[in-house]
Amino acid sequence: DVKVTQSSRYLVKRTGEKVFLECVQDMDHENMFWYRQDPGLGLRLIYFSYDVKMKEKGDIPEGYSVSREKKERFSLILESASTNQTSMYLCASTPFTGGLVTDTQYFGPGTRLTVL
Amino acid sequence: DQQVKQNSPSLSVQEGRISILNCDYTNSMFDYFLWYKKYPAEGPTFLISISSIKDKNEDGRFTVFLNKSAKHLSLHIVPSQPGDSAVYFCAASAGAGGTSYGKLTFGQGTILTVHP
Repeated sequence: DVKVTQSSRYLVKRTGEKVFLECVQDMDHENMFWYRQDPGLGLRLIYFSYDVKMKEKGDIPEGYSVSREKKERFSLILESASTNQTSMYLCASTPFTGGLVTDTQYFGPGTRLTVL
Repeated sequence: DQQVKQNSPSLSVQEGRISILNCDYTNSMFDYFLWYKKYPAEGPTFLISISSIKDKNEDGRFTVFLNKSAKHLSLHIVPSQPGDSAVYFCAASAGAGGTSYGKLTFGQGTILTVHP
């Protein structure tokens, strides 16, 4: 069964802290994504990665960085957390299909991050 | 710049009746459209999709209609059931050309409530 796991369901951090959100998939997918979900704004893409050590900026990369050292793991890093980064963070993965989109973008359960 | 828009934040429907969720897009490069369903505290799950070469796709109680000239798609759920109560996200991809990496652009979401 397809599985995307995220390291924490709930996280509370203080302003200025460095925050790591971890995502692991067990499907051997090439592509991995980080989104944030906010009311009224839907899911917005922060960063994605199409291969180990490769990364591309999404629509809202400011204040974030990512790391993909292994195929199954994609980390989102908040270098200096701020209150406007309080949000639900969702990780997803999808296999490489020659660039064609597939139906199967699999999501993790999300991490609810609160920055105080 | 919201390229995918779901203008109804919420929809309330009686059990057994039809639910119609709408989505508009502005990017004419989008050629593949998907609907995702999200329950609280869970990640979104894929529901149904449609390619731009079609105008209708059906899967059980769910039908998606695409009107390319109007850049509009809709999801019909017939009959609606209380278990359908969730947030529904419309998503789009410019997949042709092999450069999308499975990247999706999401709408803001519509909260569907189906009353018994």
